[in-house]
Amino acid sequence: IAGITQAPTSQILAAGRRMTLRCTQDMRHNAMYWYRQDLGLGLRLIHYSNTAGTTGKGEVPDGYSVSRANTDDFPLTLASAVPSQTSVYFCASSESGEGTEAFFGQGTRLTVV
Amino acid sequence: QKEVEQNSGPLSVPEGAIASLNCTYSDRGSQSFFWYRQYSGKSPELIMSIYSNGDKEDGRFTAQLNKASQYVSLLIRDSQPSDSATYLCAPEARKITGGGNKLTFGTGTQLKVEL
Repeated sequence: IAGITQAPTSQILAAGRRMTLRCTQDMRHNAMYWYRQDLGLGLRLIHYSNTAGTTGKGEVPDGYSVSRANTDDFPLTLASAVPSQTSVYFCASSESGEGTEAFFGQGTRLTVV
Repeated sequence: QKEVEQNSGPLSVPEGAIASLNCTYSDRGSQSFFWYRQYSGKSPELIMSIYSNGDKEDGRFTAQLNKASQYVSLLIRDSQPSDSATYLCAPEARKITGGGNKLTFGTGTQLKVEL
C-alpha cells in the first residue's frame, strides 16, 4: 500500500538518550517534512527537505537533526532527549513542495522522562 | 503575526446545522489553500483544496477563498457527529529565503457536533 510510514508508533525514552524516528515514503515525493504537535500549539515544522541531499530548518529545529540520503527516507534524530521534546511527531511528504497537498504518516508519540 | 491563524475553538454545533470554520493568512502571495481534518489520535488528512477566489463545493463541504481579505473558510452542511474533529488550514508551501519550500499549518479549530 502506497503511503508514508513512521516508526516507532510510540516510545518512552529516558532523558539524555539518543533517538531516531524513522520515516519512509513510497510515493517518490521530493519534499518531506517533520512536525511536532503539542496541545494548543498545532503542527510546528521542525525540519524539511525539498529533495534528496538537501535539508532546511523549520521553526523549532533546536535539539533535532535530519538527513536525506535518498528520496524515500527522512529520519529525525534527537541527539540527547529532553522532557520538552515529549510530543507527537508527524512526518509528511508532498510531490514538489509548492502548491501540492501533504500526506502524513500515522505519527510517533514520544515521551521523554 | 502568525502566518496562518485559526480560532482554536471548540466550536460546538448541533447535528444537522452548518459549521463554519475560518482561517486568515498573512502572506498575500499565497495562491492555494488546503483544509485538513484530524481526528483525535490520528494524523491529518486532506479534505478540501481551493486554488482561486470564490467557492468550491464537494458534497457537504464548501471551501471559500477571498484573497483580497486574506481569508479562507470551510463550511460543513448537515453536520454529523462523525465530523467532530480538528480542522487545520494550510496555504501551499511557500518558497523561503535561501531556497526550498516550507509548509505551514494553522493551529486548527476543534469542531464538536452534538446530538
